[in-house]
Amino acid sequence: EAGVAQSPRYKIIEKRQSVAFWCNPISGHATLYWYQQILGQGPKLLIQFQNNGVVDDSQLPKDRFSAERLKGVDSTLKIQPAKLEDSAVYLCASSQDRRYIQYFGAGTRLSVL
Amino acid sequence: RKEVEQDPGPFNVPEGATVAFNCTYSNSASQSFFWYRQDCRKEPKLLMSVYSSGNEDGRFTAQLNRASQYISLLIRDSKLSDSATYLCVVTANAGKSTFGDGTTLTVKP
Repeated sequence: EAGVAQSPRYKIIEKRQSVAFWCNPISGHATLYWYQQILGQGPKLLIQFQNNGVVDDSQLPKDRFSAERLKGVDSTLKIQPAKLEDSAVYLCASSQDRRYIQYFGAGTRLSVL
Repeated sequence: RKEVEQDPGPFNVPEGATVAFNCTYSNSASQSFFWYRQDCRKEPKLLMSVYSSGNEDGRFTAQLNRASQYISLLIRDSKLSDSATYLCVVTANAGKSTFGDGTTLTVKP
């Protein structure tokens, strides 16, 4: 079974630039999550989708971050404009059912200079 | 106060030692509980779910105390390969998950 796919693996940008991350969840997984993980901290939930609807985006900085999940499958997370404090690993995860066991992609490591 | 709190460690133990990690959570409506393992520069992976009755998987034992809002993980007979960061995860309604900041374990020869 294929796992959660994310791209790119690494991205270096300058502050005020824009960046987008892509995630393809495990086939059949209805729930998709985007997390931000800063070095030395646990993953912080940014947004959770159930199919193509948003379940929770309370911690998403909506002035600069946006996410969409068209057709309830792939998802993109965008940052515009980026700030230095956005440097982190962005993790995508998916889960199948009400047990909410999450499977993570390898993440995108973002450096904002 | 954080929703999920863990002792950050680090825990440095010799091979064969028994080590225990603790985690407390603040949301009494939490429904599901997990321990994930994260190796350096890798993604988190599920180690085990945690049930009220307690559960064991080989050398690993997890326990949940809902009244005290406390979760624990016990590792017996530590191996070098157990060196990692252990993340406590608490899930509320509709699957909203909150991760602790993790406890780092280093097992030494």
